[in-house]
Amino acid sequence: AQSVAQPEDQVNVAEGNPLTVKCTYSVSGNPYLFWYVQYPNRGLQFLLKYITGDNLVKGSYGFEAEFNKSQTSFHLKKPSALVSDSALYFCAVRDPYGNKLVFGAGTILRVKS
Amino acid sequence: DTAVSQTPKYLVTQMGNDKSIKCEQNLGHDTMYWYKQDSKKFLKIMFSYNNKELIINETVPNRFSPKSPDKAHLNLHINSLELGDSAVYFCASSQGGGPRGTDTQYFGPGTRLTVL
Repeated sequence: AQSVAQPEDQVNVAEGNPLTVKCTYSVSGNPYLFWYVQYPNRGLQFLLKYITGDNLVKGSYGFEAEFNKSQTSFHLKKPSALVSDSALYFCAVRDPYGNKLVFGAGTILRVKS
Repeated sequence: DTAVSQTPKYLVTQMGNDKSIKCEQNLGHDTMYWYKQDSKKFLKIMFSYNNKELIINETVPNRFSPKSPDKAHLNLHINSLELGDSAVYFCASSQGGGPRGTDTQYFGPGTRLTVL
C-alpha cells in the first residue's frame, strides 16, 4: 500500500533563509506526488505536483520540489522564506490504481522575522 | 467566484442527531471527494464519486452516506452522530478519475463539525 512520511512535525526557519520540508514516499508503480498548504482555519491549497518529466517541479508562491527516485523523496523547497509562508504543509501520493490521495501527517512551518 | 464551496462552514449538534453537509464545485470537474481531517490534522479519504457513480468507499461507518445528485454536487449525510465524528470535513474535486487520472484535486474550505 502506498504511504507518505513527513519526518518533521515542525520546521523553524528565519525569514530570508532557504527552507526545506521533507517528504518520503512508498508506492507501487509510478508515483504521482503532490504538495498542499493549509493556512489556519482554511482549506488545502495546491502548491505543485510531480507526475513525470523534470525532477525539479516549480509551483505556486515560489515553492519548488525535487523528485528523487533513488531516495524515494519529494522534498519541498523555497530559496527565501517569508513570514507569510508559515502554515501546515502536506505531502501526498496518489493511489496509482484509483484516484484517492494518501496524505502525510503534515509539517508545521514557522518562519520568524 | 468560489471553485469548491461547502455549507455550512460550522456545524454544532448533539449526539444522535442527523446532519448533512453540502458541496458544490463550479470547475466542471467530473470527480468529487470527501476527506476527513481529525483533531491531529490527519487527512483521510472517505468517498469519491465520478460522474455521479461511487468509486471509492473507504472503511467508513454506514452512518455516513454520500449522495451525488449531479456532477457538480456531492453531499454528505451523517446519521446518529457520535462524539468521534467531530472533525473537519473537506470536499474536493478533480477532472479525471480512475487509474489514469493525474489531475489535481482542489479542496473546499472545510466544514467543522462539533458533536456535543
